[in-house]
Amino acid sequence: GEDVEQSLFLSVREGDSSVINCTYTDSSSTYLYWYKQEPGAGLQLLTYIFSNMDMKQDQRLTVLLNKKDKHLSLRIADTQTGDSAIYFCAEGSGTYKYIFGTGTRLKVLA
Amino acid sequence: ETGVTQTPRHLVMGMTNKKSLKCEQHLGHNAMYWYKQSAKKPLELMFVYNFKEQTENNSVPSRFSPECPNSSHLFLHLHTLQPEDSALYLCASSQGLVRVSEQYFGPGTRLTVT
Repeated sequence: GEDVEQSLFLSVREGDSSVINCTYTDSSSTYLYWYKQEPGAGLQLLTYIFSNMDMKQDQRLTVLLNKKDKHLSLRIADTQTGDSAIYFCAEGSGTYKYIFGTGTRLKVLA
Repeated sequence: ETGVTQTPRHLVMGMTNKKSLKCEQHLGHNAMYWYKQSAKKPLELMFVYNFKEQTENNSVPSRFSPECPNSSHLFLHLHTLQPEDSALYLCASSQGLVRVSEQYFGPGTRLTVT
């Protein structure tokens, strides 16, 4: 079945760049998403990319998509302590159905 | 503040108790969802309602019973739960089911079954 995999933890120093990786299996996915979940809060959509794109940049966030390898990454430039959260990758086909990864807990060290 | 509220935020219940989770959205959306978020597991879609009608039941055990009296309110009635049902239950809403739009999530209810 379809699966989305992420590493569980990432630790970076404040000011460095963070790169969170995700691999997925469903080649028919047309949208790939990144969500952020802060402690005690629900999921917040950060950005998404269409499957026919290679890259999308939005301020400090850069999403890279390698469709051949089914690999998605989220780069956060100049990582701040407020970026500490769990980041979820998700894939979807354009309907309400998404498949989420297990989440990567990002810890930013001051 | 996403416009989706959930109450209570924390709930501890015994296996023989009956309780309900409530979700309310103030966004004018017509679709509402229940998700279960367990530690180290992917987010699982449980139920979907569109214009108050249930359109998805993702093989959820009958001890979870959803109710959607109108497009703004969604309940999850709980009875005779098991310890493995302990999780964060998230509610979300969106405008439409078919076109891609971001789902607005509530903060969740942290449920502990003892």
